[in-house]
Amino acid sequence: QTVVTQEPSLTVSPGGTVTLTCASSTGAVTSGNDPNWFQQKPGQAPRALIYGISNKHSWTPARFSGSLLGGKAALTLSGVQPEDEAEYYCLLYYGDGQGVFGGGTRLAVL
Amino acid sequence: EVQVVESGGGLLKPGGSLRLSCAASGFTFTNSWMAWVRQAPGKGLEWIGRIKSKTHGGTALYAAPVKDRFIISRDDSKEMLYLQVNSLKTEDTALYYCTTDLSHWGQGTMVTVSS
Repeated sequence: QTVVTQEPSLTVSPGGTVTLTCASSTGAVTSGNDPNWFQQKPGQAPRALIYGISNKHSWTPARFSGSLLGGKAALTLSGVQPEDEAEYYCLLYYGDGQGVFGGGTRLAVL
Repeated sequence: EVQVVESGGGLLKPGGSLRLSCAASGFTFTNSWMAWVRQAPGKGLEWIGRIKSKTHGGTALYAAPVKDRFIISRDDSKEMLYLQVNSLKTEDTALYYCTTDLSHWGQGTMVTVSS
C-alpha cells in the first residue's frame, strides 16, 4: 500500500517562511504524481491551493507556492499570515490515476 | 459560480447500502472529471475515487481499500454525481465530499454507520 508522508506539525512566526513537504513511499515524487495541495480550517471543507506541482488556482494567495524539492513535493508559504493557520494536505497520483492523500500537516502561526 | 452539493447521508446499520448524490452547477459538468473524498471524524482526507468525463471514456477508478464496495456513477443529463456504498462498515463513518476532481468542493454529507 502506497503511503504519502507529511510533517505532522510545523510552527512558523507571522511574516516568516515555512516549507511543508510531501514524500512518497515509492520513491522520488515526480511530475507524473501530479502533486496537489489543500488547506483545511476547522469545520470547513478543504480548499484547493496548488495542482500539477506549482500551478495556482485563481483564488490561491500569491504567498503560496509549490515545487519539487529533494525528491518530495513542497508547499512554501512566504510572509505567513495568521489566517494561514490550518491543516495542509498533499495528494499524489499513482498508476492509472489513483490518488493518495498525505496524513496532513498542522501549521501553527505563533 | 461553481457549486457542488452533496446529499443522502444519515445513520445506517452495518451491512446496509446507501447512495450519495451530488448536484453540480455553474460549470460544464459533461466535460468534467469528478471525485469523491471522505474524512472520518478527527482524521485526515481519504481519496475514494474519480470518474472521467464521457469523452474520456466515463470510467471510474477507485482507491484500493474501497474498490470492491463503492461505485461511482454520473448522470450528465441531470448534472448529478453518485456514490453507491455497499456492505457498509462502521469504518465508513465519515463526511463525504463531492469535488470537481479536487478543485471545487462541496460542504459534505455525513454518513454514520452504527448498530
